[in-house]
Amino acid sequence: NAGVTQTPKFQVLKTGQSMTLQCAQDMNHNSMYWYRQDPGMGLRLIYYSASEGTTDKGEVPNGYNVSRLNKREFSLRLESAAPSQTSVYFCASRRRLAGGPPSTQYFGPGTRLLVL
Amino acid sequence: GQQVMQIPQYQHVQEGEDFTTYCNSSTTLSNIQWYKQRPGGHPVFLIQLVKSGEVKKQKRLTFQFGEAKKNSSLHITATQTTDVGTYFCAGPNDYKLSFGAGTTVTVRA
Repeated sequence: NAGVTQTPKFQVLKTGQSMTLQCAQDMNHNSMYWYRQDPGMGLRLIYYSASEGTTDKGEVPNGYNVSRLNKREFSLRLESAAPSQTSVYFCASRRRLAGGPPSTQYFGPGTRLLVL
Repeated sequence: GQQVMQIPQYQHVQEGEDFTTYCNSSTTLSNIQWYKQRPGGHPVFLIQLVKSGEVKKQKRLTFQFGEAKKNSSLHITATQTTDVGTYFCAGPNDYKLSFGAGTTVTVRA
């Protein structure tokens, strides 16, 4: 099992450019998440998908869009990148069933994005 | 909404010393999870506590869940350089986890 994979690992963009961050998990998890991490700010949730076919905003969704392509894949799109979106982006997945037992969240290795 | 707070934000420790980091929730939690992120890495699950007053140990790390299930602590004994990193606590929030801001630990040899 590869767990949670993310591509690319690093990316440099110019202001106004667009890009899609890809995430895939092979653990048959229901829920998937996108976080950004900035120095001293912890992990901030951008968007999440509780199950295939659903997506919801987290605490910092502005400037981003997501697609839950299928159960395995959850992509994050920056339509017009801004320097404020320079950050490390983590994708995560979790087997979360309504009313079910607590479950662990697994993180991907991250994408380091620099917007000039 | 639910908030999870951690203190301190930074912990500078002399190698061999003990320290404790604390996690407090604004609401009662059904369980609490702890994660560790090494510098340059991604968060990795350490442990989960479910019962009121539960105490679990992993070698030199001791995790405790408060009686009221609103707070938790992580105590590290005889800190080593391998303990460097950021420790996050997280509480369930519907389909999400609410993460604390983390305690970043540095170790002086």
